[in-house]
Amino acid sequence: QVQLKESGPGLVQPSQTLSLTCTVSGFSLTSYNVHWVRQPPGKGLEWMGVIWSGENTYYNSALKPRLSISRDTSKSQVFLTMNSLQTEDTGIYYCNRRGTEAFDYWGQGVMVAVSS
Amino acid sequence: DTVLTQSPALAVSLGQRVTISCRTNKSVSTYMHWYQQKSGQQPKLLIYSASNLESGVPSRFSGSGSGTDFTLTIDPVEADDIANYYCQQSNEVPLTFGSGTKLEIK
Repeated sequence: QVQLKESGPGLVQPSQTLSLTCTVSGFSLTSYNVHWVRQPPGKGLEWMGVIWSGENTYYNSALKPRLSISRDTSKSQVFLTMNSLQTEDTGIYYCNRRGTEAFDYWGQGVMVAVSS
Repeated sequence: DTVLTQSPALAVSLGQRVTISCRTNKSVSTYMHWYQQKSGQQPKLLIYSASNLESGVPSRFSGSGSGTDFTLTIDPVEADDIANYYCQQSNEVPLTFGSGTKLEIK
């Protein structure tokens, strides 16, 4: 069955770099786009960016200077790297799969706190 | 960017019908999708492409609309439906979400 699971450090210091991994199963990264979405505590959802099945990427312009998404198809993993973290980057980070049109499968999310 | 506007909260009695609205500042055709997010959980897809029920989702959920005005209807509302509901457009990048509607029980 289709599954996605995020992993990474729960705590990052301000100005440091966040590295998250999304490990997928049940589908191929060369057939589906994988997106990252985040959610600050008690707030709504923010789309961050996508790595398309063809490996091209597209980022939210507000995050583009700091954000990078890549993948390793041999390991079925997608990576998110974001630098210069600030407290407002605190939240839950989700990876998900875009099906025909919408996000049909989501990971459980990983909580990231930015604090010294 | 396409901005999606939702009412912050709605209160409804169990067994009643509720409609949750989502309005966009430009046409998204039918590239509108609805998600349910319960407390402490990841979002779950309910409706895709404005009116298509995702597999496994109860038939008391339905969606309608096109262009700039969309609605998610729950009829009848059950206690398990207490959640936040988000609309999301995929007509253009960046993909954007509404701010969410919190469904409460009277």
